[in-house]
Amino acid sequence: DIQMTQSPSTLSASVGDRVIITCRASQSIETWLAWFQQKPGKAPKLLIYKSSSLESGVPSRFSGSGSGTEFTLTISSLQPDDFATYYCQQYSDYRTFGQGSKVEIK
Amino acid sequence: QVTLRESGPALVKPTQTLTLTCTLSGFSLSTSEVCVSWIRQPPGKALEWLARIDWDDDKYYSPSLKTRLTISKDTSKNQVVLTMTNMDPVDTATYFCARLLTSIGVEDSWGQGTLVTVSS
Repeated sequence: DIQMTQSPSTLSASVGDRVIITCRASQSIETWLAWFQQKPGKAPKLLIYKSSSLESGVPSRFSGSGSGTEFTLTISSLQPDDFATYYCQQYSDYRTFGQGSKVEIK
Repeated sequence: QVTLRESGPALVKPTQTLTLTCTLSGFSLSTSEVCVSWIRQPPGKALEWLARIDWDDDKYYSPSLKTRLTISKDTSKNQVVLTMTNMDPVDTATYFCARLLTSIGVEDSWGQGTLVTVSS
């Protein structure tokens, strides 16, 4: 099984901050990585797929990068609507999610 | 408009079999390159992928749960059914179904989820 490890688990930030979340795979997944945003009581929402492709309708302040085993999700200027939990997902071999990174208000 | 809606029992007893239905709207599982996945999330915990079925009836299961899962589709009803046998309290979770397009390879539209509690 491919394991996905996210860091940090929790992040405190302010509106306007640049936020970076990291996801590490236990083995190479090339660029088969997606990022999801989830708010309490809601379904996850797809943000990024194939490491850096922005899903239609997702604001351009979200960006993804990386390949192999190291990946990042960057929010260039945090907005009030962005306080949520973020999950990475590998889809190189079946699917595995990271444990989540919660972005809280500082 | 693409929507998915999960339905099934809110409460099941240990050792029972869970049957969940995902009703699709705005798209069809008979269309090439369309797939449906099931994912679950225990309260306060991370997401866990369970299974997937493709337009051509190919099926994929989580290796850790494959002996307990069966996924099937009813194209005439535009539904996908997931069964999980031998339910245990650790299976208490919100169960989501989601559409996957092979053109992007990931789940792009999700249902709202249904909470299933396993308790005697």
